[in-house]
This record gives sequence, structure tokens and C-alpha cells, in this order.
Amino acid sequence: NAGVTQTPKFRVLKTGQSMTLLCAQDMNHEYMYWYRQDPGMGLRLIHYSVGEGTTAKGEVPDGYNVSRLKKQNFLLGLESAAPSQTSVYFCASSSHSGTYNEQFFGPGTRLTVL
Amino acid sequence: AQKITQTQPGMFVQEKEAVTLDCTYDTSDPSYGLFWYKQPSSGEMIFLIYQGSYDQQNATEGRYSLNFQKARKSANLVISASQLGDSAMYFCAMREGLGSSNTGKLIFGQGTTLQVKP
Repeated sequence: NAGVTQTPKFRVLKTGQSMTLLCAQDMNHEYMYWYRQDPGMGLRLIHYSVGEGTTAKGEVPDGYNVSRLKKQNFLLGLESAAPSQTSVYFCASSSHSGTYNEQFFGPGTRLTVL
Repeated sequence: AQKITQTQPGMFVQEKEAVTLDCTYDTSDPSYGLFWYKQPSSGEMIFLIYQGSYDQQNATEGRYSLNFQKARKSANLVISASQLGDSAMYFCAMREGLGSSNTGKLIFGQGTTLQVKP
């Protein structure tokens, strides 16, 4: 199993450009999440999904949109990138019926907005 | 509002010694779960240990144990017999609600950087 994968691993954007980050998981997890990690800070939840076709806002949703058209994929979109969105983005997934239901994380995407 | 506080930005420990990383939390929900994750310099997030709010005993996983003091709302991570490979950032996180009705959302602390000296 590949677990949670993220595409791309690195990206540099200019202010105002758009992009989509792809997250894929092969563990048949119901729940998926997008976080951002800034220097000196913990991870902050952007958006999450509790099932195919459903999404909800997290702690810092402004400037981002998400879609979950297939259970295994969770897309994060930036419509008009801003320098404040320079960060490392992590996708995660979890089961809702396991023992701990811990989140499994992807390797992260390092995004720089100039 | 739920909150996780890690007051130690950086810690040093001598190889083979034990170290405690502090975590305090705040929640009004009686049902919650507490997690510790390790983030090495390579960047990935690795799940270490879990403690549920109703668990009677402190969680243990190999060299990791969780010192859970519910009344004090603290969930400190204890690493025994530190190894050089333990050098990393450690995050404490909380999930409110238990069972299939919760959304699994995590609130993270700011993290503690641990350096193990040879």
C-alpha cells in the first residue's frame, strides 16, 4: 500500500496564479483532511471531508477550496495565490471505525508564492 | 474552545536518558482523544501514541509512554532510553468526541523540538 500520497511535492507560484494539490489514499478511509504548517507553528486544519461528496471548513479555510468527488481523492485548490499561502501543506486520512482512528499523513507539499 | 499548549519550544537530552515532553489541553467535551506525532527533519508525520479520555491506564508503545493526568488536563510524552533517531519535532494533538459520530478533526500544539546528544 502506498498510504497517502500528495502531488506535487514542491511548487512555486506567482501571486494571483491558481493551482490544485492532489491527495490520494488507498486505505479506503472515509475521512480526509488538509492542513497547513507554518514555521514555528503546529498544523492548522484548512478543510476536511467525512465522505465522498462532502466537505467542510476547518480553522483556516479562506482562500482555499476543496472537492472530494471520489472517496480516495481529496483536492485542495488555490484560486488566486497570495504570499501568505506560502506554507507546507499536508493531507491526511483516517478511518472512523478503528481502535484509535489516528490520521495517516502524506509527505507534504512545499508551496512558495512569490 | 479546545486548545493544545506545548510550552517547551526546544529540549535537549543525552542519549540513553529519558525525556518528558509537556502537553496541556483545554476542552469542555468529556469525550476526547489525545495523540502524539513525531516529525523528523525529513518532514513526514509519524503517529506515536494515543490516549482516550476514558482510558483507565496510561498508554504505552515501546519506548513511548503517555503520562495522562486528567484532572490537570495534561498528557505528557515520555521517551525512555533516548536514541539519536529520536531527534525530531514532536506534536501533541487532540480530537474532541469519540466513536463514529465525531469528524476526526485534530487540533495541534505548536510542537517541541527534541535534540538527542551523543
